[in-house]
Formats: sequence, structure tokens, C-alpha cells
Amino acid sequence: GQNIDQPTEMTATEGAIVQINCTYQTSGFNGLFWYQQHAGEAPTFLSYNVLDGLEEKGRFSSFLSRSKGYSYLLLKELQMKDSASYLCAPILNDYKLSFGAGTTVTVRA
Amino acid sequence: SQTIHQWPATLVQPVGSPLSLECTVEGTSNPNLYWYRQAAGRGLQLLFYSVGIGQISSEVPQNLSASRPQDRQFILSSKKLLLSDSGFYLCAWSVLQDNSPLHFGNGTRLTVT
Repeated sequence: GQNIDQPTEMTATEGAIVQINCTYQTSGFNGLFWYQQHAGEAPTFLSYNVLDGLEEKGRFSSFLSRSKGYSYLLLKELQMKDSASYLCAPILNDYKLSFGAGTTVTVRA
Repeated sequence: SQTIHQWPATLVQPVGSPLSLECTVEGTSNPNLYWYRQAAGRGLQLLFYSVGIGQISSEVPQNLSASRPQDRQFILSSKKLLLSDSGFYLCAWSVLQDNSPLHFGNGTRLTVT
């Protein structure tokens, strides 16, 4: 089975950095995705990690530790448009994604 | 380039009525196809996925069903809707690779009254 934990809400100010942690327990693991979902819209792909370490993509970075069942998404230089829900999604053996409940990030001026 | 179409965007249906949501993918062959549901303020729940025509796997027992009559067409149906079926329904596709992300359609917001 799978058990995915991430904080429900986080608040930060414009220009700051926020780190969203995700822990997971899955019966099989083939990597992990992070998605961004604005209110009322479909999720959009942000990042993918399969090996331990940090993947950087502009203002967004994602880290994975397979042995610890742990990942985080780092958002730097926060902008108002970054206010959204961020979903952690481990990949199971048979290519199914399980999604966490998401972390709602609110960016304040 | 690949695109995914999902319709309708919004739907209001009475309890007990049937449901049919359609999703089509263009620009790729033999995609994996998925139906997810998101209840208000909650995470995405995988309902069905398909790795090929006529191959449907159900994740959660309920009054919904799915069919894949063509390679790039995925249909979500119900014979009789329940109030609890209200939610945001998302169709998605991916290719058969470990690092292939899911690409979502724009979703259907279903309200059962």
C-alpha cells in the first residue's frame, strides 16, 4: 500500500523560500513527482526524482532520499503566482501515481 | 505535440441520473490512461487506469465504471449517480516509462444534486 504525508498548509512572504516536505511508504517505488495545482485547475508537472539527490529547475528544486522515504520541494524567490497546492506523488511499480493530499502554499505580499 | 481533451467542463446532474464523461488524447499511441477524482479540499483519488484497449483496472469499488473503446479514448460512466459522486474528475495520460509524468486534462466539475 502507500502512505503519503505532507503538511496541509504553509504561508510565506513574497521573495522568501519555502520547503515542502513529503514522506511516503509504498510497497514499490519507481521515483517521485511533484505537481502544482492552482485552485479550480488541473495539476501541472513540476519535477521528477528517481535517484537520491537534488534536482534543480529554475526557482524550484526537488530532493529525494529513497532510503528515508523522504522528498522535499523547495520554492525560492516566491512570487504571488506561486500560491497553489503542491502535490507529492510517488510512482508505484505498475506505473500508477499515488498523490498526497497536497500542501496549500499561500504567498503574502 | 500531445494534447488531451476532456468534456464537459462542468456538469450538474440529479441523483439517480446516468453519467458519461469522455476523454481523448491526440499525438501519441498506446498511452496509459487514468481517471482521478478530487473531492473538495482533498487529494486526488485514482479511480481507473488502462494500459490498452479494453484493459481497465479499478482501484476503488463504487458505482462508477470505465471503458476504453479506442486506443486514445477513455470514458467514465455511471448508471445512477449518488450525492457522494460530486467532485472534480480528471483524465490523464502517460507513456509507459518510469520517468513519464502524468498529463492531465482540464477536468470536469460534477455536482450531483
